Amino acid sequence: GQNIDQPTEMTATEGAIVQINCTYQTSGFNGLFWYQQHAGEAPTFLSYNVLDGLEEKGRFSSFLSRSKGYSYLLLKELQMKDSASYLCAVKAAGNKLTFGGGTRVLVKP
Amino acid sequence: DTEVTQTPKHLVMGMTNKKSLKCEQHMGHRAMYWYKQKAKKPPELMFVYSYEKLSINESVPSRFSPECPNSSLLNLHLHALQPEDSALYLCASSQVHSGGGVYNEQFFGPGTRLTVL
Repeated sequence: GQNIDQPTEMTATEGAIVQINCTYQTSGFNGLFWYQQHAGEAPTFLSYNVLDGLEEKGRFSSFLSRSKGYSYLLLKELQMKDSASYLCAVKAAGNKLTFGGGTRVLVKP
Repeated sequence: DTEVTQTPKHLVMGMTNKKSLKCEQHMGHRAMYWYKQKAKKPPELMFVYSYEKLSINESVPSRFSPECPNSSLLNLHLHALQPEDSALYLCASSQVHSGGGVYNEQFFGPGTRLTVL
């Protein structure tokens, strides 16, 4: 079976850093994705990790440890527009993507 | 063109109606997906098509019937739905999984918000 856990909600201040953790137990692993979803909109791709380590993309970084079944998404220099849900998703066999429950991030001025 | 389009944007239907949701992409992707998303919940996979053939059906009730008429189009035919089927229906597309660490990002459409009365 698949089990993907992430915190339900986080609050942070504009300009600060927030780290969203994701732990997973899945049958098969072909990579981990992070998506951003604003309310009422489609998810948009942020990052992908398949090997251990850190991937950096501008203000966003994502880390993976396969032995620990753990990933995090780091958002730096938070902006108000970063208020959204952040979805951790694991790719098992083939094209199947399983999403975690999502973390709602609220950025306050 | 890096866009997945979906029509209609909103749909209200009765339990005896028959309607269809449409999805289109022109990125040359040969994998297409239907997801269902309830409010404040993550997307749940319903169907996957690979090379226009159904490859995954996540035990979806038969009142949902997918169809992939060609490599650019994906339909979801709806019949005799229940009020609990009200949700956002998302279509996505990607390259077909090729393994070897090459990732196949899924591109999502804006969704169809379905209300069943």
